[in-house]
Amino acid sequence: GESVGLHLPTLSVQEGDNSIINCAYSNSASDYFIWYKQESGKGPQFIIDIRSNMDKRQGQRVTVLLNKTVKHLSLQIAATQPGDSAVYFCAENPPNTGFQKLVFGTGTRLLVSP
Amino acid sequence: EAGVTQFPSHSVIEKGQTVTLRCDPISGHDNLYWYRRVMGKEIKFLLHFVKESKQDESGMPNNRFLAERTGGTYSTLKVQPAELEDSGVYFCASSHPGDTQYFGPGTRLTVL
Repeated sequence: GESVGLHLPTLSVQEGDNSIINCAYSNSASDYFIWYKQESGKGPQFIIDIRSNMDKRQGQRVTVLLNKTVKHLSLQIAATQPGDSAVYFCAENPPNTGFQKLVFGTGTRLLVSP
Repeated sequence: EAGVTQFPSHSVIEKGQTVTLRCDPISGHDNLYWYRRVMGKEIKFLLHFVKESKQDESGMPNNRFLAERTGGTYSTLKVQPAELEDSGVYFCASSHPGDTQYFGPGTRLTVL
């Protein structure tokens, strides 16, 4: 079936450290992946996405890595800041849905200590 | 540019009552989606509109849920009658075709 899972429910880091949030997906035919950040009381906020024809994509302080061989997705946050504290969701777009349906993982809570 | 807005932000109702949630998408976005997150679970897709037409409603849990998007602008999601297991956060998102989905802040529904 379709499912996206996360290895760690909570990740605690010190300010300034690099953070790595991992995600495993089950549908090898999924062709589009997104990371969302959700702060308390707000909806998921788009961070970065990657299509299946890429292995890596970089944004501002964030990098997403896609390993299709093991169906693994990761989000790397450089120089983590207290404002990065939130729940992070990975989501995949299953095939034949025209980029219109997202399947989310359960989320990882990132806690950044000053 | 205004983001996706949802109303109300929080609703508390008793089992058996009716609740209607509203979503106003980003102006110009033809695609509108409803998702929900029940306690401790992942965010799950409910349905997808393209303008006023339901494109995919495979995630709607049962016939107590009715979504509409008359005129292709805002959308409503009605739950009638509400059950305890309907409690959760209901998110709306919108997008241009094939583009990033932008989410609203959600409506937290509590059914007592």
